[in-house]
Amino acid sequence: RKEVEQDPGPFNVPEGATVAFNCTYSNSASQSFFWYRQDCRKEPKLLMSVYSSGNEDGRFTAQLNRASQYISLLIRDSKLSDSATYLCVVRMNTGFQKLVFGTGTRLLVSP
Amino acid sequence: DTAVSQTPKYLVTQMGNDKSIKCEQNLGHDTMYWYKQDSKKFLKIMFSYNNKELIINETVPNRFSPKSPDKAHLNLHINSLELGDSAVYFCASSQLNSGGYGYTFGSGTRLTVV
Repeated sequence: RKEVEQDPGPFNVPEGATVAFNCTYSNSASQSFFWYRQDCRKEPKLLMSVYSSGNEDGRFTAQLNRASQYISLLIRDSKLSDSATYLCVVRMNTGFQKLVFGTGTRLLVSP
Repeated sequence: DTAVSQTPKYLVTQMGNDKSIKCEQNLGHDTMYWYKQDSKKFLKIMFSYNNKELIINETVPNRFSPKSPDKAHLNLHINSLELGDSAVYFCASSQLNSGGYGYTFGSGTRLTVV
């Protein structure tokens, strides 16, 4: 079983739609959780951290369910510029910082 | 001024050759990483150095040898290149124990082995 699993998509949505991505992780001792965004042929960039209480950043809302080992990302009012791959990332509970990336969920927002 | 810079951006080479990729960061971070992203877009850690000391060494063939002359530089040398080494290699840096917030990636080196 992969350490971090995501539906690869693609998710095709029209502008203005609301879309949600899910992610599961296998290591119950994982400490920190993030969503990164990767544009085609570019490097990954941090989108937002995910806190146990849930957190929001503009149109983006992240949720964490530690009991189910599940992370989600909700994007409201999708824009064309949201088209990218969204990577679920987990920091393992090891002696040194190590981020484990999911394979990503591809989002395509169309006019 | 680029925070994490990798060179070269593209590298096309024949099987059996030896090649190096260089990475430099000017963020003052103490930890640097090499990640490999294969054709299926899976991003996997290879190595990590903290203040020139190797701290993470995943299961990577011995043909891959990282070198960190100082904490601002982490190079990757690959011997006897194979077709399966074709991938995008990303360098990243962070401040240790920053929790992932401070991960900054370079723009990647696209390696193609023919």
